[in-house]
Amino acid sequence: GAVVSQHPSWVICKSGTSVKIECRSLDFQATTMFWYRQFPKQSLMLMATSNEGSKATYEQGVEKDKFLINHASLTLSTLTVTSAHPEDSSFYICSARDPRTSGYEQYFGPGTRLTVT
Amino acid sequence: AQRVTQPEKLLSVFKGAPVELKCNYSYSGSPELFWYVQYSRQRLQLLLRHISRESIKGFTADLNKGETSFHLKKPFAQEEDSAMYYCALQGAQKLVFGQGTRLTINP
Repeated sequence: GAVVSQHPSWVICKSGTSVKIECRSLDFQATTMFWYRQFPKQSLMLMATSNEGSKATYEQGVEKDKFLINHASLTLSTLTVTSAHPEDSSFYICSARDPRTSGYEQYFGPGTRLTVT
Repeated sequence: AQRVTQPEKLLSVFKGAPVELKCNYSYSGSPELFWYVQYSRQRLQLLLRHISRESIKGFTADLNKGETSFHLKKPFAQEEDSAMYYCALQGAQKLVFGQGTRLTINP
């Protein structure tokens, strides 16, 4: 099946710094990728839809200037958390649809745990 | 608006017993529904999709439009079924997840 990777798997940064998280589709080209946030013992919340070659579509309540998304190629989307604060600490997960399949199922990366100190 | 409700946060059954994880949805259009599973320390992965009408690892799920439900069932639970299960609905724009049910199979 389709494989999605994320890097790094975990990161610790100081308050006020920026952190970049990469999401890659390894064996398929993804025109659309998705970024989710998951708090402990809670469900996944969609943050934004990343479209290759165009601007991301953010969900209501998500600050687009804080969570910068770039989808520069068909296999790579990046999420940059700018001026991170402790409340940004969370588990960030990306996913992608495989255009080779006819359904809408998404394939998920392993997630990135961000801790802001 | 699209919404997915999983009423049970935790579900514990004994090995060999039947399992049913409940999922109800709210959506004005024609829904596409999924069950995703997350085993300990692993990524979220697709378990079932309603359009396939398939059985994966002994699990089945039937879409009941009248009751707006998509419950996940397995007749005989196994210890390796212990995991977090998420019901999800694909609407016009996005995939919406339920809150998840943590299933524990006791030996």
